[in-house]
Amino acid sequence: KQEVTQIPAALSVPEGENLVLNCSFTDSAIYNLQWFRQDPGKGLTSLLLIQSSQREQTSGRLNASLDKSSGRSTLYIAASQPGDSATYLCAHTGGGNKLTFGTGTQLKVEL
Amino acid sequence: DTEVTQTPKHLVMGMTNKKSLKCEQHMGHRAMYWYKQKAKKPPELMFVYSYEKLSINESVPSRFSPECPNSSLLNLHLHALQPEDSALYLCASSQEGYGFRPPGMDTQYFGPGTRLTVL
Repeated sequence: KQEVTQIPAALSVPEGENLVLNCSFTDSAIYNLQWFRQDPGKGLTSLLLIQSSQREQTSGRLNASLDKSSGRSTLYIAASQPGDSATYLCAHTGGGNKLTFGTGTQLKVEL
Repeated sequence: DTEVTQTPKHLVMGMTNKKSLKCEQHMGHRAMYWYKQKAKKPPELMFVYSYEKLSINESVPSRFSPECPNSSLLNLHLHALQPEDSALYLCASSQEGYGFRPPGMDTQYFGPGTRLTVL
């Protein structure tokens, strides 16, 4: 069974801090790696998608990197804000279009 | 319109009730998905429909019965559920039919979910 692990499980930081969320996966044959945001009791919002041939993607204050050889991806959030508080999930696509989700990191950005 | 809608937002039902969850998208997507998400856990795939036909059933108990009446609509019929079935049920859609585009090229768009409580 393919596993996707996210560390840390929970993180609390003061506003303005730069932070890194980690995602590790065991499947070496992934086609892409995606980062989602989920607010409590809500659906998932796609943040960034990195194809397997790419190394990183950027959107605003977010930067995601992918290292297939080591089975790792990171999500970098610059100048964090209270509105960034949410659960962040990474997920990769293996066979077909099946998403395998990570365990999630619950982020709280405090004033 | 890049929205997937789900109704109802919340549902409370008894173990003998029959209810249905509804998912709708008007993006012309040909694949639709049902996921189940327990508290503090990642979503788990339940069903995939491609071109209105069931492509994947992840060994889901028969008390969950999916239906795809047309390309824009996906239902999940619920009957004789157990309290452990209480969860957030998420619907998603993607542009191409399942498996038609090279893997990883199709983004899934998620709805806001239905919070189901089984008493």
